[in-house]
Amino acid sequence: QVQLQESGPGLVKPSQTLSLTCTVSGGSIISDIYYWTWIRQSAGEGPKWIGRINTSGATTYNPSLNSRVTMSVDTSKNQIFLKMTSVTAADTALYYCARQTVLMVLADRNYVLDVWGQGTAVIVSS
Amino acid sequence: DIQMTQSPSSLSASVGDRVIISCRASQGIGLSLNWYQHKPGKAPKILIYGAVNLQSGVPSRFSGSGSGTGFTLTISNVQSEDCATYYCQQSNSTPWTFGQGTKVEIK
Repeated sequence: QVQLQESGPGLVKPSQTLSLTCTVSGGSIISDIYYWTWIRQSAGEGPKWIGRINTSGATTYNPSLNSRVTMSVDTSKNQIFLKMTSVTAADTALYYCARQTVLMVLADRNYVLDVWGQGTAVIVSS
Repeated sequence: DIQMTQSPSSLSASVGDRVIISCRASQGIGLSLNWYQHKPGKAPKILIYGAVNLQSGVPSRFSGSGSGTGFTLTISNVQSEDCATYYCQQSNSTPWTFGQGTKVEIK
């Protein structure tokens, strides 16, 4: 059974770079159908999709964060990484990694976040 | 971005009740709508995908309906373990977007 575990510093100073790691166990991250996704949730708000990456390195980022976000993978370690530059208090949130897969219904492709980690809290404060 | 609006933001139900949660998209998304259940401290869980399809292993008391801009998640015969926050999410176009959540409390 595939499991995802996020890890990171917990506390980051304003203007610095946030670096998070998602470690996948119970299966390889290498796949033609999976995208590895980062999502965050601030207090009192719904989740916000940050972006995704596959193991070929193809990325899609949320345009609202695009200029500050970089995702990468290390297939030898089964890990996915998120870097976010120039953080502010608005980046304080619970950060999740999730696996995006495709579930077929007849000829329709359904993109689903089918496995999630439990999340890691990030506080931006001096 | 496609905006997703859920209602109500919270509700309280008794065991055995039927619970209905609504989700509206700011533009038509066909059937590209997923529902998730999230319990505090746990990983979110996919319940329904493609608006109406029950994910494997999810109890049959959960069901989804709708298309275009209006969708519902129904929990028939709600149980105490259904106490959680439920989110809709559109997968029609990136960036994927989520509703703000509906917190379900069991009396």
